[in-house]
Amino acid sequence: AQSVAQPEDQVNVAEGNPLTVKCTYSVSGNPYLFWYVQYPNRGLQFLLKYITGDNLVKGSYGFEAEFNKSQTSFHLKKPSALVSDSALYFCAVRPPQTGANNLFFGTGTRLTVIP
Amino acid sequence: DTAVSQTPKYLVTQMGNDKSIKCEQNLGHDTMYWYKQDSKKFLKIMFSYNNKELIINETVPNRFSPKSPDKAHLNLHINSLELGDSAVYFCASSQVSSFSGNTIYFGEGSWLTVV
Repeated sequence: AQSVAQPEDQVNVAEGNPLTVKCTYSVSGNPYLFWYVQYPNRGLQFLLKYITGDNLVKGSYGFEAEFNKSQTSFHLKKPSALVSDSALYFCAVRPPQTGANNLFFGTGTRLTVIP
Repeated sequence: DTAVSQTPKYLVTQMGNDKSIKCEQNLGHDTMYWYKQDSKKFLKIMFSYNNKELIINETVPNRFSPKSPDKAHLNLHINSLELGDSAVYFCASSQVSSFSGNTIYFGEGSWLTVV
């Protein structure tokens, strides 16, 4: 069975500091991994994904994530946080089988960037 | 142009009523989804349609009936609404048949409140 864990419900970081939002996964085979962001009263916006290749993936708004197979992790990072980054962040995994039709989401991490 | 659009965005209705949420995607994708986000922000898939055929049907009460008139539309009809149906419903789409690592794109959500 596939699953995703986001161990932190809430992450607070000062503006200008680096941020990390953690994600670990459990899936058979090589997973496809995604990060989405949800701003208040908005839908989910795609940030980035890991399919194959370079373990460091760069995405929208200056975010990046590092795939670590040995630790089964896919942590989201940004070198310098902005107040506007405050939002709810979801990690998701998709099984690698052809035609696999679903994303399994983590429980979300609320990021608050303090001015 | 909105890629995945759903209407209405907000819906307040009384218990026992029947309501529908409409969804359309203009991305040319072959697969559409309905996800439910509960009050704790947890996201879970409800249904998935691939080329108008039902692929995923999670444990959802049969008061919920999706309908896909064509592969660009997936509507959600809910009969006999209950208080527990209050949630945010997200429509989404992706192109699955060519590669399951393709991104799923979400609509802005429909906030349903049952009173």
